[in-house]
Formats: sequence, C-alpha cells, structure tokens
Amino acid sequence: QSALTQPPSASGSPGQSVTISCTGTSSDVGGYNYVSWYQQHPGKAPKLMIYEVSKRPSGVPDRFSGSKSGNTASLTVSGLQAEDEADYYCSSYAGSNTPYVFGTGTKVTVL
Amino acid sequence: EVQLVESGGGLVQPGGSLRLSCAASGFTFSNYRMHWVRQAPGKGLVWISGINSDGSSTRHADSVKGRFTISRDNAKNTLFLQMNSLRAEDTAVYFCARIEVSGTRAFDMWGQGTMVTASS
Repeated sequence: QSALTQPPSASGSPGQSVTISCTGTSSDVGGYNYVSWYQQHPGKAPKLMIYEVSKRPSGVPDRFSGSKSGNTASLTVSGLQAEDEADYYCSSYAGSNTPYVFGTGTKVTVL
Repeated sequence: EVQLVESGGGLVQPGGSLRLSCAASGFTFSNYRMHWVRQAPGKGLVWISGINSDGSSTRHADSVKGRFTISRDNAKNTLFLQMNSLRAEDTAVYFCARIEVSGTRAFDMWGQGTMVTASS
C-alpha cells in the first residue's frame, strides 16, 4: 500500500485560506468515505482535525473543513492563524488487509 | 484524565528485541480498536499494526510482518507491541492510537510516543 500523495508545503498570510490535497486510489480515498486529517506540531502527537471526509470533532474550530472528489481529498484552513502552522497528514481506510494509509504530509507555514 | 501513555522504547542493537507498552486510562479500553503508528526522524506517519477490541484479530504492515506482534490485555487496559529482529530502518517514534469500534475509522486519540533506536 503506497502512501497518499500530498504537496510538501503550503503557505498563506494570517486571515487567508490554504487548501491541501491528498491523492490516493480507488482502493483507499476513492473507495471509502473514511478520510481523516491530522495536525502535528513539532515534537507532539498528531491531533485529529477532520474525520469521515468532512466531520469535525468537538473542539476543532470551524475554520477547518474537508471534502473529497473521486480519489482526491482536500483540507481547507480558512482565516489562517499563527497556531495553524504545523504539519498536516491525511489518512484513509484502505480495506481489511492493510487497513490504514497515511499521506506524505504537508508543512503549512503562516507567513 | 483520558490518556494513552507509551513506554518501553530505547536503544537496541540491530537484530535485537524490544516490547512497547501503551497504558490506557479514563475510558473503556475494550470499546476501542488499537493501533501502532510510527514516524521515522523527519519523516511522515506510517501505520504498522492494529488489533480489534477483544484481541482476536490483528493486522500488520508488510514492512513488519513476521517480526512485530501486536497484542492487548483488556483487564490491564494495556496495548503491546513485541518487536523482534529490529533493523536500522525501524528507528522511529512509535505512537499508539485508538479507533472507536462504532466506526469513525479515525484515530481520535494518540499517545505522546516512545522513541526506538536500532543502532550499533
């Protein structure tokens, strides 16, 4: 199972929006509505930001939103804030044998 | 407090073994599937092992199959990862993470991680 493809970096000024793509195949992203997104600050554990493509856990700001079209999922961060600067990883369910695959990760910089 | 706390990491020679533990508290451990995810220095997250809620079914990534074994003790609220025949490429921070049985298929809580270094 190959890693999902994400751009290495993305950036925006405070208040702007940034969108990160996550491209997989019909065996993972395209085959299930089980895409999730994680935020990871340096030296910290990942934090769940989006699950089931577009749902936000309690406590996650509504500035974070998710979507999917075909084999590509996207995370949009609107109204960028300094604390949004972090690495972001997508993940998808991929079936019973190797059930989860992660993306390559995207470093978001707030200019 | 709801938390996952990993332990057992350290420095080991290639070919050696380590057993990682993940202690769960503050929630009903047996209601969750549990997983291990690792992150090599400066690299991304990689799923390596998962176990269902009662321990009767396990899955491992091809990269660790036959060398690593995931298990759990629901009476002690603890998840384990037995790592044998360690290689340099197994050097990473190892995180435990949970997924609710009811089916979000998302890792909604993670431990802080434990570092494993396989080096001579």
